[in-house]
Amino acid sequence: EAQVTQNPRYLITVTGKKLTVTCSQNMNHEYMSWYRQDPGLGLRQIYYSMNVEVTDKGDVPEGYKVSRKEKRNFPLILESPSPNQTSLYFCASSSPRGRAYEQYFGPGTRLTVT
Amino acid sequence: AQSVTQLGSHVSVSEGALVLLRCNYSSSVPPYLFWYVQYPNQGLQLLLKYTSAATLVKGINGFEAEFKKSETSFHLTKPSAHMSDAAEYFCAVSDPLATGANSKLTFGKGITLSVRP
Repeated sequence: EAQVTQNPRYLITVTGKKLTVTCSQNMNHEYMSWYRQDPGLGLRQIYYSMNVEVTDKGDVPEGYKVSRKEKRNFPLILESPSPNQTSLYFCASSSPRGRAYEQYFGPGTRLTVT
Repeated sequence: AQSVTQLGSHVSVSEGALVLLRCNYSSSVPPYLFWYVQYPNQGLQLLLKYTSAATLVKGINGFEAEFKKSETSFHLTKPSAHMSDAAEYFCAVSDPLATGANSKLTFGKGITLSVRP
């Protein structure tokens, strides 16, 4: 089954404690992206990756890092989380290369930073 | 730059009534347009998409949308609402010719649909 998986689905952490949210897709998609969803703001892109070892900032990259060492994986790293990063996070992937055609979304990770 | 406007944050209809969720876009090039649905505690699922073929697009669960270039709109409709349609709906736009930083989906703020028995 074609899918995007994220782990964990729920995470409660404290300010400053580094965390990683994993994202994996099994569709051989070149393009992967991270979004955060906040009430009244819709989805905003954090980072995206055009292919392995090719990543770039989206609209709200501050406080986040990503890496793309393998085509299927695109982890999101918060090195020093703060309460304003409390949000619902979605990973997405798509193809063909470089074009934002239909994106497939993971189930989401709800992060709370206290 | 592209943008999407979804007026209002909440729409309530009775079961069996027409569903109409509005979406207007701004784009300097002919866009690709999408409607996604998010059920409670789930990710986003594609309802339908317009990619420059037929202007009337049919999607899953009985939804459809019409691309109207003159009105820069892509409103989502369903003739008869069902209780299971209660969810949040997002309209999104992309530039089909974009690469790099511009090859992304730009989302509206979303509309919550409630269906009354």
